[in-house]
Amino acid sequence: GESVGLHLPTLSVQEGDNSIINCAYSNSASDYFIWYKQESGKGPQFIIDIRSNMDKRQGQRVTVLLNKTVKHLSLQIAATQPGDSAVYFCAFTLPWANNLFFGTGTRLTVIP
Amino acid sequence: ETGVTQTPRHLVMGMTNKKSLKCEQHLGHNAMYWYKQSAKKPLELMFVYSLEERVENNSVPSRFSPECPNSSHLFLHLHTLQPEDSALYLCASSHLQGQGANTEAFFGQGTRLTVV
Repeated sequence: GESVGLHLPTLSVQEGDNSIINCAYSNSASDYFIWYKQESGKGPQFIIDIRSNMDKRQGQRVTVLLNKTVKHLSLQIAATQPGDSAVYFCAFTLPWANNLFFGTGTRLTVIP
Repeated sequence: ETGVTQTPRHLVMGMTNKKSLKCEQHLGHNAMYWYKQSAKKPLELMFVYSLEERVENNSVPSRFSPECPNSSHLFLHLHTLQPEDSALYLCASSHLQGQGANTEAFFGQGTRLTVV
């Protein structure tokens, strides 16, 4: 099946530092990518998305970078805060599919 | 709140019980999904309904039976489950527009299911 993998299962950062969470995907036909944040006891929440015709998109304190050449996606969080502690998932869709394909997630821990 | 509501939030059931999970969305979306989330595993897609028609069934055991009576409601009927079915069951909805124009899925809070 399709796969989305994450380079690191856990990431610890100091409060105020920038965080970078990475994701690799396998299918070059992937056309839409999403980052989700999941806090304990909650469902995944949308953070930011990017389509395959772009290579960078910025939101509030977050930036998503897409490198289609190496099939790599990253999420950058600026000035990481304790409230950013959560599990982060990348997901992607295929043009002919009706669903999202998810990675296993990276647990981000922010150290005060 | 994401606009997707799941009930119950927690459920403990015996292996011989029959129960149902409920999901409701009022976002005007045309697709609804059931996902299973187990520890240290990717989110596993179980079922997809588009316009109330099941369009995907990922080899899910028959002890899980979905029902989509209308575009706003989705059920997952459970019977004779096994302990390994204990997991967080997440419902999601999205608007499917076709090639290159899909939108993000909105998730409910999930039902934490424990099978004893």
